Amino acid sequence: QSVLTQPPSVSGAPGQRVTISCTGSSSSIGASYDVNWYQQLPGTAPKLLIYGNNNRPSGVPDRFSGSKSGTSASLAISGLQAEDEADYYCQSYDSSLSGSIFGGGTKLTVL
Amino acid sequence: QVQLVESGGGVVQPGRSLRLSCVTSGFTFGSYGMHWVRQAPGKGLEWVAVIWHDGSKKYYADSVKGRFTMSRDNSKNTLYLQINSLRAEDTALYFCARGGIQFWDMDSWGQGTLVTVSS
Repeated sequence: QSVLTQPPSVSGAPGQRVTISCTGSSSSIGASYDVNWYQQLPGTAPKLLIYGNNNRPSGVPDRFSGSKSGTSASLAISGLQAEDEADYYCQSYDSSLSGSIFGGGTKLTVL
Repeated sequence: QVQLVESGGGVVQPGRSLRLSCVTSGFTFGSYGMHWVRQAPGKGLEWVAVIWHDGSKKYYADSVKGRFTMSRDNSKNTLYLQINSLRAEDTALYFCARGGIQFWDMDSWGQGTLVTVSS
């Protein structure tokens, strides 16, 4: 059981905006630890999408954005494209575990 | 460019041991913390362990503590994961990943090596 909670699935039509939530606890996101987001296309390794809550690595389109508030974080994807269909994972640090934690993942379907 | 290539996976009987390797290139290996992350078939990502850039500190997920040992050889640009007392639930694709700017983020990943625990 993941200590970061994500919805199992979200969907949207091309061009639309979708958000994926990630809920943690007072020992993870709520303790001001950063949240990172990863995209995993089918059959491939994960790719860092957002780091430090709201920063995009070089090459990641600005259609992807992250935010954090309290014990939760969100990933927003605007101008949805067919190529965005993938699994998305949030990740943070948990001081009660002295280690990193991942959310259970959210499957994005582009209708 | 940054490259990470894992190896050492295979089919192993329960209770046996295995050592995974991750050979890196394209960056100064000894300047980065490194992680292992695994993914069971059809499941999500699970963080396994992290090692400091100089090997001075290591942290493990509770699920592997006492059975897994992470190490590195900075002269060979190589990361290792020694897995002992293998269990069926250790069956997974094991990724090595480079720690990023925030240390706990992972900015580059290998393609993974598959470990299957089966009698």
